[in-house]
Amino acid sequence: QKEVEQNSGPLSVPEGAIASLNCTYSDRGSQSFFWYRQYSGKSPELIMFIYSNGDKEDGRFTAQLNKASQYVSLLIRDSQPSDSATYLCAVNIGRRRETSGSRLTFGEGTQLTVNP
Amino acid sequence: DVKVTQSSRYLVKRTGEKVFLECVQDMDHENMFWYRQDPGLGLRLIYFSYDVKMKEKGDIPEGYSVSREKKERFSLILESASTNQTSMYLCASSFYGIPNYGYTFGSGTRLTVV
Repeated sequence: QKEVEQNSGPLSVPEGAIASLNCTYSDRGSQSFFWYRQYSGKSPELIMFIYSNGDKEDGRFTAQLNKASQYVSLLIRDSQPSDSATYLCAVNIGRRRETSGSRLTFGEGTQLTVNP
Repeated sequence: DVKVTQSSRYLVKRTGEKVFLECVQDMDHENMFWYRQDPGLGLRLIYFSYDVKMKEKGDIPEGYSVSREKKERFSLILESASTNQTSMYLCASSFYGIPNYGYTFGSGTRLTVV
């Protein structure tokens, strides 16, 4: 089992719809959860992070965390063509021996296309 | 504006060459990381460093080494480049500890080994 898994996609939604991106993780000790957006040919950029169970909203983006189910999701409301990108879920895996305590493990990403 | 700067955007090297990829951050971050990204394989950690002169192997360290002589600079070295090291290389940095507010990535170096 992969430590961080994302729905493989690609995901295609019409402009104005809600895009839902999902991620599961294997380690119950994980403490920090991140969503990155990566445009083609560019490096990932951080768009959301969440540490506590529940929802966290930032503009059109909502991150949802359910630690009991080991599940984190990203909702994008009113999707725009400019949201077309690959979305990476990243998790701070808690049980590793980490001198820094802050190494992230990434999922393989979900490619989102928003159609005008 | 805070940033992570990678010295080259595109690089072409010959098989067997020694290759240096440089990364500099101006955020006073303790942690620095080198990843490679390949289609279908995602981001894979090569090495990371949590302090000057300290380094730890990631998931795929074979064929690579690193150097961190100063806090702001983290270098990735390909001792003898091979064609299977053709990839996008991404440097990232972060604060130490939990929570760490995530990584900041550099713009990437696309390395082609011929």
